[in-house]
Amino acid sequence: GAGVSQSPSNKVTEKGKDVELRCDPISGHTALYWYRQSLGQGLEFLIYFQGNSAPDKSGLPSDRFSAERTGGSVSTLTIQRTQQEDSAVYLCASSQDVGNTIYFGEGSWLTVV
Amino acid sequence: QKEVEQNSGPLSVPEGAIASLNCTYSDRVSQSFFWYRQYSGKSPELIMSIYSNGDKEDGRFTAQLNKASQYVSLLIRDSQPSDSATYLCAVSYWTNAGKSTFGDGTTLTVKP
Repeated sequence: GAGVSQSPSNKVTEKGKDVELRCDPISGHTALYWYRQSLGQGLEFLIYFQGNSAPDKSGLPSDRFSAERTGGSVSTLTIQRTQQEDSAVYLCASSQDVGNTIYFGEGSWLTVV
Repeated sequence: QKEVEQNSGPLSVPEGAIASLNCTYSDRVSQSFFWYRQYSGKSPELIMSIYSNGDKEDGRFTAQLNKASQYVSLLIRDSQPSDSATYLCAVSYWTNAGKSTFGDGTTLTVKP
């Protein structure tokens, strides 16, 4: 595709529910990244993929968070048993290879009520 | 201490002035340095990347890197109201090029 595509763009969910956020990277990009941005804050690294493998999962805040990438393309970030502190914008990005310029999607705005 | 620190701002400059944005980082093995611009409600977009000590110029933007002082800055010449945004500094490392660490950003307002 022309850019990084994320869905849903907005999600309101009840505390305790599970949510799935999807990211479709730019075609041909081997590296994919997930970041989280709370209101008025910088970006918090969550995880990145090189191909289908995740060399660094150190940023995932807790075991309620997981991510996978299949076919070297689409990635899904899953948050189980959501909490109010999970409310944030979840940004996905991709790059041609690790270390190259990264391009961000428009984000998935998650609100946990 | 945060890994990447930026002036808390907000920073306000008149149109046509030079805006100076600063960033310090704590890890000496830092490899690559990036400046992103983020408009309110939008995702970040890359403005400049710099890898070597010295200055790098691109149009009205100049990035300056001083690895000895662990300092990177962004200068915006002839500031325009359209430059009003939050500027994020990011750093990545030799040992983990896939992980960029971001500062909290500096909000710049350019007044007409």
